[in-house]
Amino acid sequence: GENVEQHPSTLSVQEGDSAVIKCTYSDSASNYFPWYKQELGKRPQLIIDIRSNVGEKKDQRIAVTLNKTAKHFSLHITETQPEDSAVYFCAASMWGFQKLVFGTGTRLLVSP
Amino acid sequence: DVKVTQSSRYLVKRTGEKVFLECVQDMDHENMFWYRQDPGLGLRLIYFSYDVKMKEKGDIPEGYSVSREKKERFSLILESASTNQTSMYLCASSFKDRGSPYEQYFGPGTRLTVT
Repeated sequence: GENVEQHPSTLSVQEGDSAVIKCTYSDSASNYFPWYKQELGKRPQLIIDIRSNVGEKKDQRIAVTLNKTAKHFSLHITETQPEDSAVYFCAASMWGFQKLVFGTGTRLLVSP
Repeated sequence: DVKVTQSSRYLVKRTGEKVFLECVQDMDHENMFWYRQDPGLGLRLIYFSYDVKMKEKGDIPEGYSVSREKKERFSLILESASTNQTSMYLCASSFKDRGSPYEQYFGPGTRLTVT
């Protein structure tokens, strides 16, 4: 089955810096890649997703890139703010399947 | 606004007890999921259901069972709770669309402690 690896497990940046979180997946049939953000004590929420027919997607300060050949995708956050501090999870799925396979999470800490 | 609720935020049970965790969603979602969340291990799927009375095992089903008698409600059952089942349990739901997985909406979680 699908396996998703996520790095780093923790990431500390200064406010205003950029942050990059990387994930690799094992099943070349996967074609849907969402990112979820979980603030402390809160539930995970979808922040951005990308499908395999697209190489990059942006939404304000966040962007996701996908390299299907290398089977990896990344989350980029620019101009980080303290409210970006959270745990971020990547995930992968395949057409026809309703399940997501999640990575192990990255704890991002943005210091003022 | 999608709402997924779970019956308890915190639960303390003794080893060997039968434990029921309930999840209710109000968006008419076909799919419902149970995950457990442990530090360093991410979100691991226990069971999911794509329709009433239908269920499929996830990655870590051992020691758990589920019940879905109504579309809006999905229950996770720990038949005989053990200390290694101490964890945060998250329920989620989503629409079903063949060939297109939809956004999963999560509940607030139940932190279960088994002593």
